[in-house]
Amino acid sequence: LAKTTQPISMDSYEGQEVNITCSHNNIATNDYITWYQQFPSQGPRFIIQGYKTKVTNEVASLFIPADRKSSTLSLPRVSLSDTAVYYCLVVWGGGKLIFGQGTELSVKP
Amino acid sequence: EAQVTQNPRYLITVTGKKLTVTCSQNMNHEYMSWYRQDPGLGLRQIYYSMNVEVTDKGDVPEGYKVSRKEKRNFPLILESPSPNQTSLYFCASRQGFMNTEAFFGQGTRLTVV
Repeated sequence: LAKTTQPISMDSYEGQEVNITCSHNNIATNDYITWYQQFPSQGPRFIIQGYKTKVTNEVASLFIPADRKSSTLSLPRVSLSDTAVYYCLVVWGGGKLIFGQGTELSVKP
Repeated sequence: EAQVTQNPRYLITVTGKKLTVTCSQNMNHEYMSWYRQDPGLGLRQIYYSMNVEVTDKGDVPEGYKVSRKEKRNFPLILESPSPNQTSLYFCASRQGFMNTEAFFGQGTRLTVV
């Protein structure tokens, strides 16, 4: 079971690009890397998923190096509404979603 | 609109009084699960279901029951609630066991006194 490690908290300012890195040294061949966002008292919301290289959608980009032992979620030009907890998940072969402690991102004006 | 609906949103109950939290999804998803979220402990899976009549324990199943008689519904049952089950509960669904995009409900804040 691949364990993920990410910073507990990060601070940023409006308009900046934010990069949150997650390490998953024991990732297996069939594992996917997935990121979720959670606002207080709301359920997590899927942001992006990737296997290798780079994936981009309307919300974020996900960078995965060739060895797949880490990944970086990139949020372009954050706003106050991006203040949330961001979870990095590695979905193992059986597909169970295991949420770690996440990264609490605080965006300041 | 694709959604997962939980009811109730808030519930205060007394120790030992049986309760059910309902969860319904309109996306025809096969996989459904229940989580509880507590400060400092994060999200922990209680039970999950891979399809109708197929359920299994997650990481913290003690004190909970579930059933999956229909694909769209996955109720969480607390036969005899205790104060340590005071928590924020989330139901989630996704298309298949290997699909990582899960849709979560709005949450149910349960207080057991």
